[in-house]
Amino acid sequence: AQSVTQPDIHITVSEGASLELRCNYSYGATPYLFWYVQSPGQGLQLLLKYFSGDTLVQGIKGFEAEFKRSQSSFNLRKPSVHWSDAAEYFCAVGAQAAGNKLTFGGGTRVLVKP
Amino acid sequence: EPEVTQTPSHQVTQMGQEVILRCVPISNHLYFYWYRQILGQKVEFLVSFYNNEISEKSEIFDDQFSVERPDGSNFTLKIRSTKLEDSAMYFCASSVGQPLNTEAFFGQGTRLTVV
Repeated sequence: AQSVTQPDIHITVSEGASLELRCNYSYGATPYLFWYVQSPGQGLQLLLKYFSGDTLVQGIKGFEAEFKRSQSSFNLRKPSVHWSDAAEYFCAVGAQAAGNKLTFGGGTRVLVKP
Repeated sequence: EPEVTQTPSHQVTQMGQEVILRCVPISNHLYFYWYRQILGQKVEFLVSFYNNEISEKSEIFDDQFSVERPDGSNFTLKIRSTKLEDSAMYFCASSVGQPLNTEAFFGQGTRLTVV
């Protein structure tokens, strides 16, 4: 079965600083990998996804993520955080052999200090 | 920008009561989903729905749960006899195609509290 781990429950960063959120997955074959963001009172919004090709994926809002097969990781990064990036971030994995569902990690809550 | 809308945003119900959570997916989407997140836990898949039938369901989605697309625009999740452990945030999502190849758009969620 596929699974996703986000080791950091909370991260606090200063505005303008860089941000990296960790995601590790477990799945036998190459998975489809996603990052979603949830701002307060909002639904889950897709930031980016990977399923093949270039292992560095660009997303919306200045985010990028890198797929590293050897480490089973798909970490999310942003070079310079804005106050509006304060939200909860979810990594998710899907696999065609596993049907239509996404398996989510536990989420990382990001707080941005002025 | 089209969005998935869910109503109500909050619902409080007594244990044993039936509850219906409502969702309006994006109009040209064909695949529909329900997920839930119990407070402090992961977002979990409940069910997917395509072509007017359930295409996949998790072990959580037992006989107490049902889904329906009654009128071609709404997509509902019914819990027949709610339990305390059904308290959670319920997310509806929709996609134009298979979610692994197309984006699944999520609603803002309905927070269900069973007392």
